[in-house]
Amino acid sequence: QKEVEQDPGPLSVPEGAIVSLNCTYSNSAFQYFMWYRQYSRKGPELLMYTYSSGNKEDGRFTAQVDKSSKYISLFIRDSQPSDSATYLCAPVTGGGNKLTFGTGTQLKVEL
Amino acid sequence: DAGVTQSPTHLIKTRGQQVTLRCSPISGHKSVSWYQQVLGQGPQFIFQYYEKEERGRGNFPDRFSARQFPNYSSELNVNALLLGDSALYLCASSLRTVGGTEAFFGQGTRLTVV
Repeated sequence: QKEVEQDPGPLSVPEGAIVSLNCTYSNSAFQYFMWYRQYSRKGPELLMYTYSSGNKEDGRFTAQVDKSSKYISLFIRDSQPSDSATYLCAPVTGGGNKLTFGTGTQLKVEL
Repeated sequence: DAGVTQSPTHLIKTRGQQVTLRCSPISGHKSVSWYQQVLGQGPQFIFQYYEKEERGRGNFPDRFSARQFPNYSSELNVNALLLGDSALYLCASSLRTVGGTEAFFGQGTRLTVV
């Protein structure tokens, strides 16, 4: 079993839709949770960074962590065609030295 | 402020050759990590360096090596290249070890081994 599981998609939604992107993980030591957005043939761009359980909002993006069920979510409100990219979750242990990435979910927002 | 810079952006090498990839972190960041991203997969951890010392190594063969210089820039070396080494190589910069702080990536070096 992989430490981080993520549905690879592709996920196709109409412009303006609410998008839910999810990851599950198995390592209880994960304490910090990052979400990256990666456009085709580019490096990952840090979107959000949360610590422990709870929600964090940043504009149209909301990150949610449920440590009891080892479930991570990223919600995108009012999705735009410019949101079309691959979204990667990457948890890390406290004081850890590496990000453990899921496979990424490919999102396409259509006009 | 300049972000993480990597060079070169693209590279084509022949099997058996050696390659050196370079990374300059964000100013003030003391940690550099290297990741390999094969097409259709998430990045896989190769190395982390912090304050010029190796702090972590992923499950990669000894053909992969790295170092960090006094100015905190870093090089990743891969010897005896295999076709399977073709990938996007990413450098990530952070203030300290990754747990507890944001990590920022460069645009990557796309290595093609023929």
